[in-house]
Amino acid sequence: DAKTTQPTSMDCAEGRAANLPCNHSTISGNEYVYWYRQIHSQGPQYIIHGLKNNETNEMASLIITEDRKSSTLILPHATLRDTAVYYCIVRVVSNYQLIWGAGTKLIIKP
Amino acid sequence: DAGVIQSPRHEVTEMGQEVTLRCKPISGHNSLFWYRQTMMRGLELLIYFNNNVPIDDSGMPEDRFSAKMPNASFSTLKIQPSEPRDSAVYFCASSIGRSGQETQYFGPGTRLLVL
Repeated sequence: DAKTTQPTSMDCAEGRAANLPCNHSTISGNEYVYWYRQIHSQGPQYIIHGLKNNETNEMASLIITEDRKSSTLILPHATLRDTAVYYCIVRVVSNYQLIWGAGTKLIIKP
Repeated sequence: DAGVIQSPRHEVTEMGQEVTLRCKPISGHNSLFWYRQTMMRGLELLIYFNNNVPIDDSGMPEDRFSAKMPNASFSTLKIQPSEPRDSAVYFCASSIGRSGQETQYFGPGTRLLVL
């Protein structure tokens, strides 16, 4: 599976959009981009995933560049409860393995 | 809608003791995963079951670790004997599908401390 690169940490003001970047320049055509987050002392929580089209659900939007080498997770109106570590994972569609990096620690400030 | 249930949530034990962690996957899910999380190594997959059968146990650290899934609604991870280096948070996750490639949903974890 391709590797991902994420910033170590980010801040965002409450109520603003939080944009979390992820670089996956070696991604293959059959690899999906998954996003999970882990709030302190909780289990990882699935957020969203996509292959090449932009995706949106009740939690977030996922924007994938046309060349698929990078993506951005957008939390449209961040709240204090969105403070967490966010993991970007690239995964072959037929592979059950999730390879976890260090993620981005997102801190939402009042 | 109940998610993945794990017990106990916290466990403190002494070196050499047997530890059993329990997991109830989401009803209808047929894939189950055990993970371990430490500060040093992050999240690591220990073992993956599909339809109650162990498919990949290559992440199990050594013979002291064993996992079973006697039925579709219950799994255990056992450490015998436990050592201080086993201290970590252990997560169980489940998914639905043929090969485990579908979205995984995680439980709240068991925080294990071996003294």
